[in-house]
Amino acid sequence: QVQLQESGPGLVKPSETLSLTCSVSGYSISTAYFWGWIRQSPGKGLEWIGSIYKSGSTHDNPSLRSRVTISVDTSKNEFSLKLSSVTAADTAVYYCARFDSRGRQFGPFDYWGQGTLVTVSS
Amino acid sequence: DIQMTQSPSSLSASVGDRVTITCRASQSITNYLSWYQQKLGKAPQLLISASASLQSGVPSRFSGSGSGTDFTLTISSLQPEDFATYYCQQTYSTPLTFGGGTRVEIK
Repeated sequence: QVQLQESGPGLVKPSETLSLTCSVSGYSISTAYFWGWIRQSPGKGLEWIGSIYKSGSTHDNPSLRSRVTISVDTSKNEFSLKLSSVTAADTAVYYCARFDSRGRQFGPFDYWGQGTLVTVSS
Repeated sequence: DIQMTQSPSSLSASVGDRVTITCRASQSITNYLSWYQQKLGKAPQLLISASASLQSGVPSRFSGSGSGTDFTLTISSLQPEDFATYYCQQTYSTPLTFGGGTRVEIK
């Protein structure tokens, strides 16, 4: 059974960098699939942040591109998110998820982590 | 970016009712449309992919249809466990985008 688990600080100060890791079990990241990050602000909808493939190639949301770094560590079977220069608007539940590619398109997010709340506050 | 517009944003229904949620894309996404169910405090769960393909383990009262820009999620007979928020998502092109959600509440 594929399982994803987010980890990282639950509180980040404004202007600092948010860092999260998604640990994957039940499936080897180095096999296939894209691995992505999604966030949900309190009471709001879902926003795709970006994703990474086993090779290290990434896609990201232009709305966050300049602040986002996504990396993968196949030896640890995990991938990570760094979001720089955070503000209160970055307070959200952050999810990691798995999806596949279908040519130039993509498949659905079939496995999700449980999510982790990150609050940006001094 | 492809904008996904869901309607209604919320609805009240009774157990046993037939419920229909619509999702419109700002440009054609062929059938790269998925539906998710999210319950309070939980991660979204995939219900339907490729517009109409039911995920394993999802009850058959859920169905999806549509192609191009207009899509529908139907719950044929609403059950107590179906009260949740539903999201559509396009995976046709990046940035991958979600609809704003439809909250299904108990009447």
